[in-house]
Amino acid sequence: GDSVTQMEGPVTLSEEAFLTINCTYTATGYPSLFWYVQYPGEGLQLLLKATKADDKGSNKGFEATYRKETTSFHLEKGSVQVSDSAVYFCALSDLANAGKSTFGDGTTLTVKP
Amino acid sequence: DTEVTQTPKHLVMGMTNKKSLKCEQHMGHRAMYWYKQKAKKPPELMFVYSYEKLSINESVPSRFSPECPNSSLLNLHLHALQPEDSALYLCASSHRTGYEQYFGPGTRLTVT
Repeated sequence: GDSVTQMEGPVTLSEEAFLTINCTYTATGYPSLFWYVQYPGEGLQLLLKATKADDKGSNKGFEATYRKETTSFHLEKGSVQVSDSAVYFCALSDLANAGKSTFGDGTTLTVKP
Repeated sequence: DTEVTQTPKHLVMGMTNKKSLKCEQHMGHRAMYWYKQKAKKPPELMFVYSYEKLSINESVPSRFSPECPNSSLLNLHLHALQPEDSALYLCASSHRTGYEQYFGPGTRLTVT
C-alpha cells in the first residue's frame, strides 16, 4: 500500500536558519504530493503541492520538488521565522488507491528568536 | 470563499448521549471527508463522500454514522461513544477525490 515517511522530529532552529524536512513515499500509481501545516489548535492548511515529476511547489518561501527517481518531496525554506513554528505533514493522494490521502507522521518545528 | 466551517468547536458528551458534528463548504467541492486526529498524530481517514455518495468507509465503528444531505453539507452522527473516541474531528473537502484538501478547524470532542 501507499506510505509516507517523514524525518523524525522535533526540529528546533534559530530564526533565519535554513530548514529541510525530508519526506519519501511509496505509491502504487502516480500520486500527487502535498505539504500541509498545522498550527496549534487549528486544522491543517495546504502549504504547497506538486502533481507530477519535477514539479516544484512553492508558497510563503517554502519549496518542495517532486523527485520521482528518489521518490522524495523534501520541504525547504531559506530563512525560517518564529511564526513558522508548527507541525508539518507530508502527504500523497493516489488515484490508483481511490484518491485516498496518506499522511506522514508529522514533524514539529520550533523556531526560537 | 475558501473556507470549511465546522460546528461545534468543542463538544463534551457522555457515553449514552447522541450528538452530531456539522461541516459546511461553499467552494463547489464534490468530495468531502471526515478525519479523526489524536494528539501529536496525523489525521486518520474515517469516511469519504464523492458526489454525495459514501465512497470510502475505513472500517469505522457503527457508533459513528456519516451523512451527506447535499453537496455543501456533511454531518457525523455520534452515539454511544467510548472515552477512547475523544479526539479532534476534522472535516475536509476537495474539488474531487485525489485533489488537495481544504480542512476545517475541527471539533474537539471529549467523551466522559
